[in-house]
Amino acid sequence: EDKVVQSPLSLVVHEGDTVTLNCSYEVTNFRSLLWYKQEKKAPTFLFMLTSSGIEKKSGRLSSILDKKELFSILNITATQTGDSAVYLCAGNLSGNTGKLIFGQGTTLQVKP
Amino acid sequence: GAVVSQHPSRVICKSGTSVKIECRSLDFQATTMFWYRQFPKQSLMLMATSNEGSKATYEQGVEKDKFLINHASLTLSTLTVTSAHPEDSSFYICSARGGTHEQYFGPGTRLTVT
Repeated sequence: EDKVVQSPLSLVVHEGDTVTLNCSYEVTNFRSLLWYKQEKKAPTFLFMLTSSGIEKKSGRLSSILDKKELFSILNITATQTGDSAVYLCAGNLSGNTGKLIFGQGTTLQVKP
Repeated sequence: GAVVSQHPSRVICKSGTSVKIECRSLDFQATTMFWYRQFPKQSLMLMATSNEGSKATYEQGVEKDKFLINHASLTLSTLTVTSAHPEDSSFYICSARGGTHEQYFGPGTRLTVT
C-alpha cells in the first residue's frame, strides 16, 4: 500500500529559528514528491522534486529529495510568524493518473 | 499561475438533502480533476479522479452512488453529495491538472450537514 509519513506531526519554534520537516514515502511507480503549505484554505504549491540530490530553493525555503533512502526534507530558515501553517508532502504516482498520496502533515507554529 | 475556483465556499444543508459543489479551472483546460476530503486536523484524502468525458474512478471505501462526480467539460467538474448526513460534514477540495501535470488546488468548500 502506498503511504507517505511526515514527522514531526507538530512543531513549535520561535521567530528566527531554523526548522527541518521530514517526509518519507513508500510509493509504487514513484514519479515525484511535492511539498505544499496549507493555511486556512486549500494547499498552495511549494516544490516539486523529481531528482535526487538537487536542492530546490525559494527564499528561505529549500527542499531536497533522496530517492535511494525514500525521503525528502523541507528546510525553513529564519522562520517568521507567517510561516505558521500545516506543511504537506505528497507522493505523485507515475503514469497518467496523477494521483497524489498525502502525508499527515506537519503543523508548524512560529511564535514571536 | 493557474487558477482553480470552487463554489460554494461554504454550505450548510439539512440531513437528507443533496449538495452540489463546482470546481472550475479558470485559465487552463483540465483533462483531469481530483476530489479530496479533509477532516479537521487530518490530511487530504483522495476520493476520486475525474477525467473529462468519462466516468470517475473512485478510491476504495468511497461510495460512488453517494458522491456523484461529473466532468462534463475541460473546465468544470461537479461533486454532488447525495442524501447528506452529519458525518459527511467536511472540507472538500478539488484540484485540476493540465498539460504540465502539475496540480492546482481550489480554495475548498466547507460542508456542514445539520
